[in-house]
Amino acid sequence: QSALTQPASVSGSPGQSITISCTGSSSDVGSNFLVSWYQEHPGKAPKLMIYEGSKRPSGVSNRFSGSKSGNTASLTISGLQAEDEADYYCCSYAGSSTHVVFGGGTKLTVL
Amino acid sequence: QVQLQESGPGLVKPSETLSLTCTVSGGSISYFYWSWIRQPPGKGLEWIGYIYYSGSTNYNPSLKSRVTISVDTSKNQFSLKLSSVTAADTAIYYCAREGITMVQGVISDWFDPWGQGTLVTVSS
Repeated sequence: QSALTQPASVSGSPGQSITISCTGSSSDVGSNFLVSWYQEHPGKAPKLMIYEGSKRPSGVSNRFSGSKSGNTASLTISGLQAEDEADYYCCSYAGSSTHVVFGGGTKLTVL
Repeated sequence: QVQLQESGPGLVKPSETLSLTCTVSGGSISYFYWSWIRQPPGKGLEWIGYIYYSGSTNYNPSLKSRVTISVDTSKNQFSLKLSSVTAADTAIYYCAREGITMVQGVISDWFDPWGQGTLVTVSS
């Protein structure tokens, strides 16, 4: 059982927008901590897509955006493309002892 | 750019010690945090622990009694040892550089880049 809760799957058609939620608690997402998001294609290593809650690393499309409200962080992908089909994981700092926690992952299907 | 590569045995017997090394190329291991993360087949990600280039460490409480992470700055490498392994330790093991910032009391933590990952199977 993961510390952060993500929907098991989401889907959308090319060109549409989707949002993946990541719900935690006051010990992680809801605290003064910002979430990171990772994209994982089958057989590939995870790739950082969002850090510090809403920043994109160089090379990541501006179709990817991150936000947070209360105990829930969200990843929004606009203008869905076939190549966006992958698993997505959120991650939050969770204090000096636990350090970080991951979500269980969300499988995005582009219809 | 910085690249990471895991190496080590792909098969470990139950009760033995899993040992992996991550080699950092394209940049120095100094002044960064370096982590190990694993992913059991078909499951999610689990942070194992990190080491700072100076040698200070922090481990996942659920694995702390079995984990040792070390660093060799002269070789630009850091290593993972996980003792008394069982089938539950079968996973893809990734090494990654960890970024941690605190700005105006807000803490952010992320992993980038990652190694390609190595599958370690625990079986007799």
